[in-house]
Amino acid sequence: DVKVTQSSRYLVKRTGEKVFLECVQDMDHENMFWYRQDPGLGLRLIYFSYDVKMKEKGDIPEGYSVSREKKERFSLILESASTNQTSMYLCASSFRGPGGYTFGSGTRLTVV
Amino acid sequence: GENVEQHPSTLSVQEGDSAVIKCTYSDSASNYFPWYKQELGKRPQLIIDIRSNVGEKKDQRIAVTLNKTAKHFSLHITETQPEDSAVYFCAASSGNNRLAFGKGNQVVVIP
Repeated sequence: DVKVTQSSRYLVKRTGEKVFLECVQDMDHENMFWYRQDPGLGLRLIYFSYDVKMKEKGDIPEGYSVSREKKERFSLILESASTNQTSMYLCASSFRGPGGYTFGSGTRLTVV
Repeated sequence: GENVEQHPSTLSVQEGDSAVIKCTYSDSASNYFPWYKQELGKRPQLIIDIRSNVGEKKDQRIAVTLNKTAKHFSLHITETQPEDSAVYFCAASSGNNRLAFGKGNQVVVIP
């Protein structure tokens, strides 16, 4: 079964901490994405990557950065966590071209 | 960029009845339209998709229709069951590797 694995299901961090969210896919997908999901706001794209070492800003990149050193791994970094970054974070991947995404199970991050 | 809107935001149906969720999109170049189902506490999962060269696609109790002229597409669920209760997201892609998602519809099937 194809998989997108997110390293943590639940995470609690303190304001100002640097936070790393990891995502690994085993489907040899070129594209990888990070979304955050908040009630009433749907899925909002933070960053995405079409290839190793490539990254592009999504709709809400402020306060976040990403790293893609290997094809299978896409990391989301919160440089200095703030309480308004408390959210569900979803990673997804897909093949190049128009096609469906496979999502990870999500990381529920709470910043206190 | 592409803008996708979903209506209604919440839909309640009696078990056994049909549910229809409609989405509109703005970019006439969009050519791929998937639907995702997200059950409570779980990941969104692809349930059906359609490409712009067809007008309708069915898979058992679910179907999707596409009207390119009006720039809308709809998800139809027949003979609804309690396990159909979930949030449903529509999306559209204009071939740039990126999906634009709607905000989601909460479907509640009343036993």
